[in-house]
Amino acid sequence: GAGVSQSPSNKVTEKGKDVELRCDPISGHTALYWYRQSLGQGLEFLIYFQGNSAPDKSGLPSDRFSAERTGGSVSTLTIQRTQQEDSAVYLCASSPMNDPEAFFGQGTRLTVV
Amino acid sequence: AQTVTQSQPEMSVQEAETVTLSCTYDTSESDYYLFWYKQPPSRQMILVIRQEAYKQQNATENRFSVNFQKAAKSFSLKISDSQLGDAAMYFCAYRRGGSEKLVFGKGTKLTVNP
Repeated sequence: GAGVSQSPSNKVTEKGKDVELRCDPISGHTALYWYRQSLGQGLEFLIYFQGNSAPDKSGLPSDRFSAERTGGSVSTLTIQRTQQEDSAVYLCASSPMNDPEAFFGQGTRLTVV
Repeated sequence: AQTVTQSQPEMSVQEAETVTLSCTYDTSESDYYLFWYKQPPSRQMILVIRQEAYKQQNATENRFSVNFQKAAKSFSLKISDSQLGDAAMYFCAYRRGGSEKLVFGKGTKLTVNP
């Protein structure tokens, strides 16, 4: 499809395990964002990639969280040694150059048990 | 740092009536954009309407319109002729001009009563 694609849609993992969440942005979009949405809460900024610039990692909550964006396209958010408080919906969005509108994927619901 | 405040955690409206959702923001910038996003239970964030700060005219998209008060840093969303499908979480968001991240409010849950 032409939209932002995230996988998996849902992920259940055991506490202490590592997880990888994938985001495939809209083709040609230069900006890519990751947000976290805990139950009933707003969107918490995690990380922002813009073209070839150094990413803005200011929202990552701990060093267990990391993200990369390969070839300016697909991005992977990795959470190491997952904790129960990591349970949330992780949303990815992308934006084209010179357009501030962000297009969102449907998110990955992560449950840590 | 920029902040976005939505003071109404929940709102309700009767079908076919009008409802206004509030949003205020804090910024020292002059070049920025404001957005309202809708999030239905499907989780997908959908853009409802956007406003460029340099435009004095309030944005309108069909039944959705905004009241943009730049000096007061207020950006409210009016939904006219409310429909059952309008029920969702609504998020106000801010983005500084140039390459910057979106900053969101905590959202308002809108219920539409038949």
